[in-house]
Amino acid sequence: DVKVTQSSRYLVKRTGEKVFLECVQDMDHENMFWYRQDPGLGLRLIYFSYDVKMKEKGDIPEGYSVSREKKERFSLILESASTNQTSMYLCASSESSTKDYGYTFGSGTRLTVV
Amino acid sequence: AQSVTQPDIHITVSEGASLELRCNYSYGATPYLFWYVQSPGQGLQLLLKYFSGDTLVQGIKGFEAEFKRSQSSFNLRKPSVHWSDAAEYFCAVGAYAGNKLTFGGGTRVLVKP
Repeated sequence: DVKVTQSSRYLVKRTGEKVFLECVQDMDHENMFWYRQDPGLGLRLIYFSYDVKMKEKGDIPEGYSVSREKKERFSLILESASTNQTSMYLCASSESSTKDYGYTFGSGTRLTVV
Repeated sequence: AQSVTQPDIHITVSEGASLELRCNYSYGATPYLFWYVQSPGQGLQLLLKYFSGDTLVQGIKGFEAEFKRSQSSFNLRKPSVHWSDAAEYFCAVGAYAGNKLTFGGGTRVLVKP
């Protein structure tokens, strides 16, 4: 089975801290995505990447950046954490080819900024 | 831009009763459509997907969905709900396989004994 692993299940950080959320997938997928999930808003796309060292902004990129130095790893960075970034963060990966469809999600990281 | 609307935020259903969750999408071409389920404390699991062919799609756990192009809808159904179906359900649309998905706001399903 495809595994998407997020390094932390729960995180508590202070306002102004630089925060790194890590995501690793083990199926050689080209595409990786970061979403945040908030009640009533569903999942909103922050950033995504179709290849190593490549990134594109999603719908809500403000206050975030990403890094993809290796194909299997996609990091989300909160440059200066703020309380409105308290949320559940979900990483996902998928293949580029039409042979597969949909995403495989990680279990999520619940981030609280105090 | 693509968008997804799930009109029902919460639905309560009795165990053994039927369930239908609504999903309306906006997209200019033929969409790729998905339903995911998220059980409490879990990640998202793919229930089913549609991208072409038969408009009635069968998925896991006894779920099915019907694509209606004229109504821009992709509603999810289950004939008889089990207590384990209590979860949050998300509809999503994409431009092609592997592409970024746009999700609806989700519908939380509560199952009464």
